[in-house]
Amino acid sequence: DQQVKQNSPSLSVQEGRISILNCDYTNSMFDYFLWYKKYPAEGPTFLISISSIKDKNEDGRFTVFLNKSAKHLSLHIVPSQPGDSAVYFCAASVNTGNQFYFGTGTSLTVIP
Amino acid sequence: GAGVSQSPRYKVTKRGQDVALRCDPISGHVSLYWYRQALGQGPEFLTYFNYEAQQDKSGLPNDRFSAERPEGSISTLTIQRTEQRDSAMYRCASSRPNEKLFFGSGTQLSVL
Repeated sequence: DQQVKQNSPSLSVQEGRISILNCDYTNSMFDYFLWYKKYPAEGPTFLISISSIKDKNEDGRFTVFLNKSAKHLSLHIVPSQPGDSAVYFCAASVNTGNQFYFGTGTSLTVIP
Repeated sequence: GAGVSQSPRYKVTKRGQDVALRCDPISGHVSLYWYRQALGQGPEFLTYFNYEAQQDKSGLPNDRFSAERPEGSISTLTIQRTEQRDSAMYRCASSRPNEKLFFGSGTQLSVL
């Protein structure tokens, strides 16, 4: 039972353009969401998070948007850079619990 | 060390053997998680601890899998009588309570 879904396994974007990675979830109790970035042969590293009391969180070139009614979140990267090429995982949790559920990942390729 | 440390980095074993995977979390992190990641998939939750107490082991696939964290720091994930289907990347992560996870580089387990 996949509670967090990333329906696009891959995405290619030109350098300088916007990358939009999407994530959907089914559990309405989720109230904390994170994005992780993973390079080959490395563990996932934290990128940005958002709690359910907000609908947007921005950190430099990275912005996460949360639409609770649609149970959807997205990660925007602008402008995209070749070094952003990696696999991006979204994750969600219920704050009072501690189990994080991960999506299957989207592989982003930024073309120079 | 500064990050989550896992050992061994690679483990090749014969079917039927027992294996023990070690995780050394970031100092001071109360919560410790074990995840399993198959190729092309997101991390799949196995179990987690707060201090030495195992809070949730609902993700352990069967009773051949067990984990302990006897002193609230280092944790060991043990797989008894390994089977080929156990082959995967096993990732450990640690965090402060209800905060983002920091992942280790993982142990790549291959069961022949």
